[in-house]
Amino acid sequence: KQEVTQIPAALSVPEGENLVLNCSFTDSAIYNLQWFRQDPGKGLTSLLLIQSSQREQTSGRLNASLDKSSGRSTLYIAASQPGDSATYLCALLSGTYKYIFGTGTRLKVLA
Amino acid sequence: DVKVTQSSRYLVKRTGEKVFLECVQDMDHENMFWYRQDPGLGLRLIYFSYDVKMKEKGDIPEGYSVSREKKERFSLILESASTNQTSMYLCASSAGTGGITEAFFGQGTRLTVV
Repeated sequence: KQEVTQIPAALSVPEGENLVLNCSFTDSAIYNLQWFRQDPGKGLTSLLLIQSSQREQTSGRLNASLDKSSGRSTLYIAASQPGDSATYLCALLSGTYKYIFGTGTRLKVLA
Repeated sequence: DVKVTQSSRYLVKRTGEKVFLECVQDMDHENMFWYRQDPGLGLRLIYFSYDVKMKEKGDIPEGYSVSREKKERFSLILESASTNQTSMYLCASSAGTGGITEAFFGQGTRLTVV
């Protein structure tokens, strides 16, 4: 059974710092991995999608990598800003339709 | 941009009421999903649909049903609302199958059952 873990559960950093969020999974047979952002009381906003055949994707200050052999993905945020404060979730498409979510990392960027 | 719209941001219902949560997507996506999100439990899949009139149970379907009469609309029905169904409900859609499909979410409905 696929399990997805995100560590740490919470992270607090000063503004301007570069940071890495981690996502680990137990079964490498995945179709893709997606990173989301969730603001308090809101829905999920898609940040980056990495297909199974890809190693990384970039969007602005965000870079996500995927290493299926080690069961890991990382989300790198460069030059963090207070507006980056949110919960970050990773999700795997494992099987034809089913997404499996991690429990998230709650990020706070201090001004 | 893909838009997934949930009919209500906040709902308060009484125990025993029949509750309808509506979700509409505008990108002709085949797949639609209903999740609930609770603190400490993360997102859990209730039902999903991969085509009109088709539905599959997710991990926690008990107490819920769904309806998909049109491709763009996916409804979640709480047959007889109970207090343990108080939660954040999230609708999502995605296109096709396989690795290129990206999931998009609505803004969420915070349901309180009193």
